[in-house]
Amino acid sequence: RKEVEQDPGPFNVPEGATVAFNCTYSNSASQSFFWYRQDCRKEPKLLMSVYSSGNEDGRFTAQLNRASQYISLLIRDSKLSDSATYLCVVNGGNFGNEKLTFGTGTRLTIIP
Amino acid sequence: ETGVTQSPTHLIKTRGQQVTLRCSSQSGHNTVSWYQQALGQGPQFIFQYYREEENGRGNFPPRFSGLQFPNYSSELNVNALELDDSALYLCASSLWDRDTGEQFFGPGTRLTVL
Repeated sequence: RKEVEQDPGPFNVPEGATVAFNCTYSNSASQSFFWYRQDCRKEPKLLMSVYSSGNEDGRFTAQLNRASQYISLLIRDSKLSDSATYLCVVNGGNFGNEKLTFGTGTRLTIIP
Repeated sequence: ETGVTQSPTHLIKTRGQQVTLRCSSQSGHNTVSWYQQALGQGPQFIFQYYREEENGRGNFPPRFSGLQFPNYSSELNVNALELDDSALYLCASSLWDRDTGEQFFGPGTRLTVL
């Protein structure tokens, strides 16, 4: 079983639609959780951290369910600029600042 | 921009050669991690350096080695290059004392092995 598993994708979604990504992780000792965004041939950039209480940043909402070891990302009112690969990321270290484990990523294309 | 820089941006080598990739961390950060990203995959953790010592290593053979310098910059060395080493190599810097686990990535070095 992969340490971090994501929806296979790709997702092709019309502009303005709502899209949801899901992710599961296998290490129950994981401390920190993130969604990173990666544009084509660019480096990953932090989109948002994910907290147990759930958190929202504008059109983006992230949820964490520790009991189910499940992470989600919801994008509302999608824009053309949201087209990218979205990476689910888990920090597996006991301290919290150790290796990041990435999912394979889900490619999103917003269609005009 | 994250303030993390990497050099070179692109590199072409042949099988069996050796390569050194360089990374300058963001000002104030003391930890550097290296990742390998093959085409169509997520980044895979190679190793991390903190206080000039290796602090954790992923599933990579010993021909992948690294260094961290007193100014917190870092090098990744790969010996006896193989075709499968062709990938984007990403450096990420962070501050060890923070417990959030957030890391900031450089633009990467794209290595092609022929």
